[in-house]
Amino acid sequence: AQSVTQLDSHVSVSEGTPVLLRCNYSSSYSPSLFWYVQHPNKGLQLLLKYTSAATLVKGINGFEAEFKKSETSFHLTKPSAHMSDAAEYFCVVRGGNAGNMLTFGGGTRLMVKP
Amino acid sequence: DGGITQSPKYLFRKEGQNVTLSCEQNLNHDAMYWYRQDPGQGLRLIYYSQIVNDFQKGDIAEGYSVSREKKESFPLTVTSAQKNPTAFYLCASSIGQDYGYTFGSGTRLTVV
Repeated sequence: AQSVTQLDSHVSVSEGTPVLLRCNYSSSYSPSLFWYVQHPNKGLQLLLKYTSAATLVKGINGFEAEFKKSETSFHLTKPSAHMSDAAEYFCVVRGGNAGNMLTFGGGTRLMVKP
Repeated sequence: DGGITQSPKYLFRKEGQNVTLSCEQNLNHDAMYWYRQDPGQGLRLIYYSQIVNDFQKGDIAEGYSVSREKKESFPLTVTSAQKNPTAFYLCASSIGQDYGYTFGSGTRLTVV
């Protein structure tokens, strides 16, 4: 079975400082990996995806993530946080024995202080 | 603009009543999904449909039912058998493998 672990349930940063949201996965096969963002009472928006091409993936709003197979990690980063980045972030894995289905991490709430 | 529309945005239900949540997409996606989200938790799969007139149970299907009579529509019924229905419900669709899902904006259901 595949699983996703987001290592921090809450992350707090100051505006203008770097953001790091950590994600580890387990999968028997080469998975597809995604990061989604959810603002309060909204649906989920795709930030970026990894599907076995370049290991460093650039997404929207200045976010990027690096796939590290040896560490089974897919951490999300941004060089400089903006107030509008405050939201819930989900790391998601797709593929393996779950087929086409998505498996969600528990989420990380990012808070940005002025 | 293409997308997924969920309605209503907020829904209140009395205990013992069935209620149906609407999900419509105009993206021409074959696959559609229903997820439940509780505070502090990730999303849990209720039901999914890979093609019209076919659907499969997800991880937490008990107390829910669905239909897929049209490609565009995948309504979810929360029945009185669902013991704890108060939650945020998200509908999603997908065009196929190697693609992410497109999500609706969700329906918040509260049992009063």
